[in-house]
This record gives sequence, C-alpha cells and structure tokens, in this order.
Amino acid sequence: GNSVTQMEGPVTLSEEAFLTINCTYTATGYPSLFWYVQYPGEGLQLLLKATKADDKGSNKGFEATYRKETTSFHLEKGSVQVSDSAVYFCALPGGTSYGKLTFGQGTILTVHP
Amino acid sequence: DTGVSQNPRHKITKRGQNVTFRCDPISEHNRLYWYRQTLGQGPEFLTYFQNEAQLEKSRLLSDRFSAERPKGSFSTLEIQRTEQGDSAMYLCASSQYRGPNYGYTFGSGTRLTVV
Repeated sequence: GNSVTQMEGPVTLSEEAFLTINCTYTATGYPSLFWYVQYPGEGLQLLLKATKADDKGSNKGFEATYRKETTSFHLEKGSVQVSDSAVYFCALPGGTSYGKLTFGQGTILTVHP
Repeated sequence: DTGVSQNPRHKITKRGQNVTFRCDPISEHNRLYWYRQTLGQGPEFLTYFQNEAQLEKSRLLSDRFSAERPKGSFSTLEIQRTEQGDSAMYLCASSQYRGPNYGYTFGSGTRLTVV
C-alpha cells in the first residue's frame, strides 16, 4: 500500500524564520497529497493539498509542491509565527482503498517569540 | 454546520470495562471514518462507513472493537474488555465522497485512558 515518511522532529524555530518540513512518499500511481495540522488539544485540520504532479498547494502562507521526480511534498513557510506551533502531518490515500488516508508520524513545530 | 462532534472528550476506564464513543458527522457527509492516534504517532485507520455500510476494517480493529452507523448518520465505536494498550486518542472524520482528491473534516477526538 501507499506510505509516507516525514522528517524526524521536533523542529524549534524563532519567529519569522523559514520553515521546511520534509515529506516523501511511496505510492501506486499519482495520488493526491495532503498536509494536515493539529493544534494543541484539537483534531486535525486540512492545511493544503495537491492533486497532481507539479501542483502547488497553499494556505495561510504555507506551500507544498507535488514533486513526482523526487516523490516529495515538502511543506514550507517563509516566516513562521508563534501561532504556527502545532503538529504537522503529511498524508496520502491508502492505495487499495480510497476510503482511508495514510499519515506520516507527524512533525512537532515549536516557534519561539 | 457545527463540524464533526465527538463525545465524550475524555474517558478514563478501568481495564476490562467496556467503553463506547459517539461521533456525529457533518450532516451532508455520507462517509465517516474512525482513526486511532497514539502519542507521537500519526493517526492510524480503523474503519470507515459509506452511509450505513461498513466498507473497510483495518487489521488493527480486533474482535474487541466494533463500530456501527445504524442510520447512516451518527456512529458509535465500542471497545469491549479494554486493555491498557487501548489508551489513545480516537478520532472521527467525515467527508462527502467525491473521489480520492478530497480530504476529511476531523472531530476533536475522544481521549481514552485505561488504568
């Protein structure tokens, strides 16, 4: 089945620093790719998605580009804020079933003032 | 639309007891999913429904776990004879299925602690 690997965390940054969280995937075909965010004490929220190769998903200053050649979907933000502190998950459909998503293990981001 | 609602938010139970969680999806969503999330890990798929039909169950869903969605609206997840290894966050999500390119809406989860 499809799988996803995220960079080891946690990541600690100062406010206004540049953020990259790496995500690589193994998949049959070219599935959609997703980034979800989980703020403390809350459920997961869809942050952005890309549905085909070379697509760029973007939301709230975050961006990720679907790279077929490198099977990657790295999350970036040019200037992080304290409010971006959360856990970030890369995800893709589960392969044999469109019903499920397969998630990475998550990357904890902490942004200090 | 109030989003996906899960109850209770927290549940502490003694080992061996049965527990039941409820999920109310977004009303127009025909798909409902259950996931389990342990500390430091991403959510793991348990099962999903399309309307009232349970279409897939993970191998993680042992015989002690059962899920229902009797009228295609809310769903319940029951764990019988709980074990300490069942301690986790149980997440529910829903979607209006339009193909694999759309994400879910998640609830805030039910945190289960088995003591």
